[in-house]
Amino acid sequence: EPEVTQTPSHQVTQMGQEVILRCVPISNHLYFYWYRQILGQKVEFLVSFYNNEISEKSEIFDDQFSVERPDGSNFTLKIRSTKLEDSAMYFCASSFSGQLRETQYFGPGTRLLVL
Amino acid sequence: GNSVTQMEGPVTLSEEAFLTINCTYTATGYPSLFWYVQYPGEGLQLLLKATKADDKGSNKGFEATYRKETTSFHLEKGSVQVSDSAVYFCALKSRGRDDKIIFGKGTRLHILP
Repeated sequence: EPEVTQTPSHQVTQMGQEVILRCVPISNHLYFYWYRQILGQKVEFLVSFYNNEISEKSEIFDDQFSVERPDGSNFTLKIRSTKLEDSAMYFCASSFSGQLRETQYFGPGTRLLVL
Repeated sequence: GNSVTQMEGPVTLSEEAFLTINCTYTATGYPSLFWYVQYPGEGLQLLLKATKADDKGSNKGFEATYRKETTSFHLEKGSVQVSDSAVYFCALKSRGRDDKIIFGKGTRLHILP
């Protein structure tokens, strides 16, 4: 069964450094998403991406964040200058378009620790 | 705004016990409702869903019924197994152009052999 994959599974970085989290969505899915879960808190929506542009973003997704689909298979989340409060589990998801868009398929997550 | 509230965990049960995890929601209109499960070390997996009032979603022995009158979507299973130990997330998605899924805080379930 096709699945969303994410790399790395864990990342440790120093505050102020840039990180790039990578995702390979399910092929033939057209919508891509990033969510995050700070330890002990809810899973929160960050951004959705369709047709090579941001479709929707939350208040969390400020200028420090960017997303990109650099080729036909990868979908990345970049944090330009990490802060301590960016420490979280980051989930990538993908879905079909149209009526099937409501069902999003999630990857295993990348645990980011900012020191 | 839209939100999901689910019972606090952890929930600890013995194998073959009956499970209920309560979930209520606040939303405008008629959202789609979901239960996701996260097994240890894995990502979020869709367990079941319901898209309109009185729909019943079911999978792997789990069931949940979309109750509009009580704005609830409680998860039930008649006889749990040790392998059901995981974190369960209730979630909703509004219809239309809204892309995001809104999650509850999750309920950790421990099943004892």
